[in-house]
Amino acid sequence: QQQVKQSPQSLIVQKGGISIINCAYENTAFDYFPWYQQFPGKGPALLIAIRPDVSEKKEGRFTISFNKSAKQFSLHIMDSQPGDSATYFCAAESYNTDKLIFGTGTRLQVFP
Amino acid sequence: EPEVTQTPSHQVTQMGQEVILRCVPISNHLYFYWYRQILGQKVEFLVSFYNNEISEKSEIFDDQFSVERPDGSNFTLKIRSTKLEDSAMYFCASSVTNQGAEAFFGQGTRLTVV
Repeated sequence: QQQVKQSPQSLIVQKGGISIINCAYENTAFDYFPWYQQFPGKGPALLIAIRPDVSEKKEGRFTISFNKSAKQFSLHIMDSQPGDSATYFCAAESYNTDKLIFGTGTRLQVFP
Repeated sequence: EPEVTQTPSHQVTQMGQEVILRCVPISNHLYFYWYRQILGQKVEFLVSFYNNEISEKSEIFDDQFSVERPDGSNFTLKIRSTKLEDSAMYFCASSVTNQGAEAFFGQGTRLTVV
């Protein structure tokens, strides 16, 4: 299965709160899991990515948690800021291809 | 900071017409991609291109679509006979490596077929 399922579709968080976006996949050939941030009128921009040999990766306020046995991964945004308001896409890539399979996206709104 | 540049930002075309979407990838990048995003939906892979050849294409990328790198700098996507369902945002991306996740995306061309 080439799909990546993403939830929730939209998320409203107060400034300073934690935003959590979840993704799940079926294809065990996937070996790279990036997250993208997209602002209106712009292309997706790589935010953070993880390989399945680690369970967590942190970059600043952004953390990916990865559960290989459950085939799930999630993005946590700590201390969410209004400037984080954007659409977030998870994606997956397998070792034998260079195409990305994107999730359906989560629209995050952070209110002051 | 180097960036992928796409032109035009918005193109309106009549159904059945040919369109060419243009992209200038980052100069030292070797791998090139087109993705599309129908309004409100997920980003979908169309095609990857390396060494003047298509590396991979999706089932969306049928005979109506073609890509080329005519002059070593531009990377174009041609849709021969546009349909209403081709209306979408088209993103070009480029990468130094064949890791698609490391690609930089352009700002997109919004194609509206009427």
